[in-house]
Amino acid sequence: TQLLEQSPQFLSIQEGENLTVYCNSSSVFSSLQWYRQEPGEGPVLLVTVVTGGEVKKLKRLTFQFGDARKDSSLHITAAQTGDTGLYLCAGALVYNFNKFYFGSGTKLNVKP
Amino acid sequence: SAVISQKPSRDICQRGTSLTIQCQVDSQVTMMFWYRQQPGQSLTLIATANQGSEATYESGFVIDKFPISRPNLTFSTLTVSNMSPEDSSIYLCSGLWEHKVMNTEAFFGQGTRLTVV
Repeated sequence: TQLLEQSPQFLSIQEGENLTVYCNSSSVFSSLQWYRQEPGEGPVLLVTVVTGGEVKKLKRLTFQFGDARKDSSLHITAAQTGDTGLYLCAGALVYNFNKFYFGSGTKLNVKP
Repeated sequence: SAVISQKPSRDICQRGTSLTIQCQVDSQVTMMFWYRQQPGQSLTLIATANQGSEATYESGFVIDKFPISRPNLTFSTLTVSNMSPEDSSIYLCSGLWEHKVMNTEAFFGQGTRLTVV
C-alpha cells in the first residue's frame, strides 16, 4: 500500500475546465511537495507547503495543505494544454524528514 | 535549490551487460537518492546514496544488482548489473536540499531511459 494516495489516477478534460487532484494519507507530514513531470523529463518541483491549513497560489494553480498535515490538494483553474503531465505529491514524515514518500501519481491530459 | 545533471539520458543495452548512470549536483545536498519509474507511473525508491559508505537499499533492491557509489557530496553513480528486459525503466537521481529546518525539497535529474534488449 502507498503511504500517499492520490486521486484521481487519470484525468482527461477539455481546455478551460477546472480540476482538483487530491493527496491523502493517514500519516502526518512535516511538509508536502507537488511536482509535475512531462515525458522524458524528471519531476519538477511546483510548490512546498509546510504549515497546516496553508494555501499557496501559483498563477492558475492553488495548493492547500490540510489542517492536520495529512492531506493536500491541487486545484487548477481554466486548464490549458500545457498543464498536461504527471502530477506527483511527495512528503517527508514529521519524524523522518530526510526520506521522501511519493504519491501514486495523477496523469492529467488537457485536450484542446 | 539545486541543478542535477544525469547521464546518459537514454541507452539501449544488451541483456547480461551493465550500465553505470552518473549524477552530478551543482551544490551540496544533504542526501541523494536513486529512483526507478515506469512511464506514467509514480517513483519507486531504490536506495539512499550515502557519502563514503554503503548505500541504504529499500526492500526488493540489493547491492549486487544495483551498486551505488557516492564518493563526495555532489556526485553519485548507480550501476544496473547483469541487465534483463525487466530492468527496462526510467532511472532518476534526486538530491534533497534542506530549504529550512524540517523543510526539505527534492530536485531531480532528467532521468535515464533504459531499454534492455
